Amino acid sequence: DAKTTQPNSMESNEEEPVHLPCNHSTISGTDYIHWYRQLPSQGPEYVIHGLTSNVNNRMASLAIAEDRKSSTLILHRATLRDAAVYYCILSLGRDDKIIFGKGTRLHILP
Amino acid sequence: GAVVSQHPSWVICKSGTSVKIECRSLDFQATTMFWYRQFPKQSLMLMATSNEGSKATYEQGVEKDKFLINHASLTLSTLTVTSAHPEDSSFYICSAARGEGYGYTFGSGTRLTVV
Repeated sequence: DAKTTQPNSMESNEEEPVHLPCNHSTISGTDYIHWYRQLPSQGPEYVIHGLTSNVNNRMASLAIAEDRKSSTLILHRATLRDAAVYYCILSLGRDDKIIFGKGTRLHILP
Repeated sequence: GAVVSQHPSWVICKSGTSVKIECRSLDFQATTMFWYRQFPKQSLMLMATSNEGSKATYEQGVEKDKFLINHASLTLSTLTVTSAHPEDSSFYICSAARGEGYGYTFGSGTRLTVV
């Protein structure tokens, strides 16, 4: 079973920031927090990942709670192309398999 | 960045025939690759872990004789759906990780339709 909990769906207006939450209360000390997104009929796309500190890249920011039991993916300025299913996943990395939960379907309103 | 190429992107086959799907890591070596299946409006379901030079590890409920996995080199894993039936119609996706601390890269997926 997936080790993370996410809302089934969220809505946001175009050009506004989006905060996608994820709970992972059973996270272990060596689990990385990964975020991926999937557009229709495509394979998942890597968004960001982190271990303990907050992370930023050109796509998004990842805010990790101090106790690491939750995290938030932040899209700073949503566009219509950000409409997708976003998956929050825990993994040790490399050879460790990743199990997908149901993810959050993000709708962007023009 | 890391690129995983999956081929074909779609295939239609007759019931009872076999279909091979290829997954290649183009710019990195992958000792481990993963195969997923996804039905419409559902999440990805892990089928098996493909290990270079050794047997694949299948998830519970996945028939290893039906879904043959070969990981012959550090850049290529193949999934063969044998004696395909209409219920095997699905979206098949592979992935690989470049190394510890890196994210996973996914192929673009193969849509299999068995008629």
